[in-house]
Amino acid sequence: TQLLEQSPQFLSIQEGENLTVYCNSSSVFSSLQWYRQEPGEGPVLLVTVVTGGEVKKLKRLTFQFGDARKDSSLHITAAQPGDTGLYLCAVALEWGAQKLVFGQGTRLTINP
Amino acid sequence: DTGVSQDPRHKITKRGQNVTFRCDPISEHNRLYWYRQTLGQGPEFLTYFQNEAQLEKSRLLSDRFSAERPKGSFSTLEIQRTEQGDSAMYLCAGFPTGVAEAFFGQGTRLTVV
Repeated sequence: TQLLEQSPQFLSIQEGENLTVYCNSSSVFSSLQWYRQEPGEGPVLLVTVVTGGEVKKLKRLTFQFGDARKDSSLHITAAQPGDTGLYLCAVALEWGAQKLVFGQGTRLTINP
Repeated sequence: DTGVSQDPRHKITKRGQNVTFRCDPISEHNRLYWYRQTLGQGPEFLTYFQNEAQLEKSRLLSDRFSAERPKGSFSTLEIQRTEQGDSAMYLCAGFPTGVAEAFFGQGTRLTVV
């Protein structure tokens, strides 16, 4: 059983559409991170959310941390082909000294 | 560019051979992590160093795997007697002191044939 369950696993949409991907868990976390990984590259941090209910915006990307700090969502407005990639959520387990545990990711494809 | 470089980017090896990968973080990254990522999965923790000390190893790290970080700078990950199941992307990440952000290298993609 995965600590972090991401859904959907795959998403293919047309340019200009909106989308939301999810990261869910039954555990409570002190913070949660979202990364984007392009093919053949390492993950790159997009955002860290730390407060229950927190909303952070990064251009057309909106990240929300659940009130209970168990889940998070990423919403993309007017998706563009450059948004294509693997979106990963990750948490640092307190006992692990910043050791990150990742979800399996959502592979997003934006078609022109 | 995260400043973390990994070498080689790609490695194809025959089953049973030994391979070694290298990771060069930037000087501010006193903590260095190795992760393994298989197709369709997120990265999985393998081991980490605080400066030159290896502080934790995952159960994923069998006896065939060994990692070093001499002098607390670059790190190497060696896999002995490779198996087809070792085929994966091996990622290195640096953490600056007091920062919860991981700076990943571009990874080494290993294919065992």
